[in-house]
Amino acid sequence: ILNVEQSPQSLHVQEGDSTNFTCSFPSSNFYALHWYRWETAKSPEALFVMTLNGDEKKKGRISATLNTKEGYSYLYIKGSQPEDSATYLCAFYDYKLSFGAGTTVTVRA
Amino acid sequence: EADIYQTPRYLVIGTGKKITLECSQTMGHDKMYWYQQDPGMELHLIHYSYGVNSTEKGDLSSESTVSRIRTEHFPLTLESARPSHTSQYLCASSPQGADTQYFGPGTRLTVL
Repeated sequence: ILNVEQSPQSLHVQEGDSTNFTCSFPSSNFYALHWYRWETAKSPEALFVMTLNGDEKKKGRISATLNTKEGYSYLYIKGSQPEDSATYLCAFYDYKLSFGAGTTVTVRA
Repeated sequence: EADIYQTPRYLVIGTGKKITLECSQTMGHDKMYWYQQDPGMELHLIHYSYGVNSTEKGDLSSESTVSRIRTEHFPLTLESARPSHTSQYLCASSPQGADTQYFGPGTRLTVL
């Protein structure tokens, strides 16, 4: 089982503030890194698939960067809104997905 | 929106019962997966299938079994449930040639 770590485990953000959190993964034999958003009582939903060092992906107010040489990815939420409250999972892809435990974001109105 | 369904969503059952968790997808995906997740922990792959009549064990050892008789259906069975099986079980699928997985809403199992 590959070691994929996410930090922090949880964070609370005031509405309108921006935030970011980290996913660390093995830097050798990199193939792809996935980000998922998992809202309470719903299914995990794919956000980004990142494959190239230096990749930056954006979806609305959410963006992600990738550093494959040092083995980390950041996910950013700009101007957080209550609907951004969810658990954000990263997963290292090596023919199978190995997930981190997630960062749970709570946006307070 | 992905069309992958799991039933039941919640199940509370006594020790020793046989249970089957259902997973169906209408997208025609060849690849299907079962994950197990305990609260606050990672999703762990317990079974996967790359097509009909193909099943493999995942990274986390599990006493459950799976079958893949039809492309759209990937049920998971526990012959004799125990309290240690209490967990959330998520099913996912993906098309050939793609990494992104589409998840069902999960089944939260409690064994008393």
